[in-house]
Amino acid sequence: QKEVEQNSGPLSVPEGAIASLNCTYSDRGSQSFFWYRQYSGKSPELIMFIYSNGDKEDGRFTAQLNKASQYVSLLIRDSQPSDSATYLCAVKPESNYQLIWGAGTKLIIKP
Amino acid sequence: KAGVTQTPRYLIKTRGQQVTLSCSPISGHRSVSWYQQTPGQGLQFLFEYFSETQRNKGNFPGRFSGRQFSNSRSEMNVSTLELGDSALYLCASSLMGPSDPGAFFGQGTRLTVV
Repeated sequence: QKEVEQNSGPLSVPEGAIASLNCTYSDRGSQSFFWYRQYSGKSPELIMFIYSNGDKEDGRFTAQLNKASQYVSLLIRDSQPSDSATYLCAVKPESNYQLIWGAGTKLIIKP
Repeated sequence: KAGVTQTPRYLIKTRGQQVTLSCSPISGHRSVSWYQQTPGQGLQFLFEYFSETQRNKGNFPGRFSGRQFSNSRSEMNVSTLELGDSALYLCASSLMGPSDPGAFFGQGTRLTVV
């Protein structure tokens, strides 16, 4: 059973600090990794994707992938109250192209 | 460019009834994936349609079915509704498939079974 695990939170971070969200996956052959943000009552929206080991930066967001340790993380620098949302990690396993989703981490940025 | 449109946005049904949900993808997108989202469970994959063919299916009972039309619009049907079917149903459209970074979600249909 392929799994994607996330801490459900809530993770509380002061405004302006770095928020660090983590995700582990069980399928060692997984190829693509996605971070979605979902505001309460809204649909998920893609904020980052990463394919290769290492870091990928996009504005205040950095995705980090470590395939050897089977984890992917999302860092949010200079956190803003508008970053308060649930962050979903999704992983494309080796065997097919459907995504396996984590249950999400609820992030709260406190002013 | 119009986004992904799901109708209806909200539904209340009684146990034993059936329901049909609709998803109109972004123009040009041929892949439509359906998900069920319940609190604490994340997104559970239902099925994916590409060019009118079901290409992949998740682990849901046969009461859940779907189809895709030639204009790429997709419908999903749930028969003999159970209380546990209450959830947010999301569809996502993309050019190539659900792991396409260009996938976009609709606003979802909130189904409540009473």
